[in-house]
Amino acid sequence: QVQLVESGGGVVQPGRSLRLSCAVSGFTFSSYAMHWVRQAPGKGLEWVAIISDDGSNNYYADSVKGRFTISRDNSENTLYLQMNSLRAEDTAVYYCATTYGGGATDSFEYWYFDLWGRGTLVTVSS
Amino acid sequence: DIVMTQSPDSLAVSLGERATINCKSSQTVLYSSNNKNFLAWYQQKPGQPPKLLINWASTRESGVPDRFSGSGSGTEFTLTISSLQAEDVAIYYCQQYYNTSGFGQGTRLEIK
Repeated sequence: QVQLVESGGGVVQPGRSLRLSCAVSGFTFSSYAMHWVRQAPGKGLEWVAIISDDGSNNYYADSVKGRFTISRDNSENTLYLQMNSLRAEDTAVYYCATTYGGGATDSFEYWYFDLWGRGTLVTVSS
Repeated sequence: DIVMTQSPDSLAVSLGERATINCKSSQTVLYSSNNKNFLAWYQQKPGQPPKLLINWASTRESGVPDRFSGSGSGTEFTLTISSLQAEDVAIYYCQQYYNTSGFGQGTRLEIK
């Protein structure tokens, strides 16, 4: 069964760090680019970051550049998001997602998301 | 950055009637080399992740009912639900993937 499962969310103080994980099963993780997308409570969707299948390329939204780092462990089928210098405005549900149905070769080129996890909530508050 | 603007912000439609949601991009999302619009539509229900309905502006995902259709090109796009069903109550988002990725603010669809 194709599945993405996020974990690692919680309550954290402003300025602190948190690492999110996304465990992948049911497909060849190492062949697909992966994304993080977030959604603040009651708000819309915001793309956060992408990492290529082999981890050699990544891009970030301006709102997180320099503070967040996306990475992956293909031997463990796991995607990560290291979040540093957290701010109140980073409070959101964080989803991992990918372009799965189009095939692995399309996943880094076409950034629509047909496979999503259920998300993990990060709350930044003192 | 490409800014995506949806209209209306909310919409109430009677069961069985047509629902139309519009999406406008601040610059073209039509890639001239392959003549494809890098535009997708999603449906999100409470407590769930978004679900991809349509990509390439008009290509319906497998399993999506044919009452959902997408149209438009360049900078103006439309999601149409031809005959609203109760299970279609949700928030709908458009997304451009022409230049990184950006979403519209969402349109809340309710039953009148």
